Amino acid sequence: EIVLTQSPATLSVSPGERATLSCRASQSVSTYLAWYQYKPGQAPRLLIYDASNRATGIPARFSGSGSGTDFTLTISSLEPEDFAVYYCQQRSNWPTMYTFGQGTKLEIK
Amino acid sequence: EVQLVESGGGLVEPGGSLRLSCAGSGFIFSNAWMNWVRQAPGKGLEWVGRIKSKPDGATTDYAAPVRGRFTISRDDSRNTVYLQMNSLKTEDTALYYCSTGIDLDLWGRGTLVTVSS
Repeated sequence: EIVLTQSPATLSVSPGERATLSCRASQSVSTYLAWYQYKPGQAPRLLIYDASNRATGIPARFSGSGSGTDFTLTISSLEPEDFAVYYCQQRSNWPTMYTFGQGTKLEIK
Repeated sequence: EVQLVESGGGLVEPGGSLRLSCAGSGFIFSNAWMNWVRQAPGKGLEWVGRIKSKPDGATTDYAAPVRGRFTISRDDSRNTVYLQMNSLKTEDTALYYCSTGIDLDLWGRGTLVTVSS
């Protein structure tokens, strides 16, 4: 089973600054990696799919990069609404499985 | 409006059963692959299982912890997907979300399941 490890567990950044979140896979997932934003009481929101493609309606300040085992989510200039928990997730087809990382909490500095 | 709404959660004793529902609107439900994902208290997200669309065979896949106990089905006439949960364990306590697509691109707000005596 592929394990996703996110770092750091908590990231403290000031509004307007850049945030860089990492996700490392225990083995190659090619580019089958997605990023989600989660706020308690709300529906999780897909931000990035296939490592670098922004989902519909996602602002350009969100970008994803990487392939194989190392991936990055970058938020170029943090807005107040961006402070949340972020999860990476990989999907495999054989066997069919989706695995999530443990999450990075992005908090206001 | 495109949305998913889960329902059916509640308190159930260990060994009991519960059926969750997820109603979709604002998109062509019959073409959608539907997933269930859960989040236990204080934990991260965990994929539970998926059902493909009928044109793609309506086949199901499950995560190891629920395989053999949980069953996903769909009723496209009602734009609804179901999660039948049997032989529930305390570790199944979680907020259960449904989500569409291969990339989980739309999510509901979840329904809470508590397994406790």
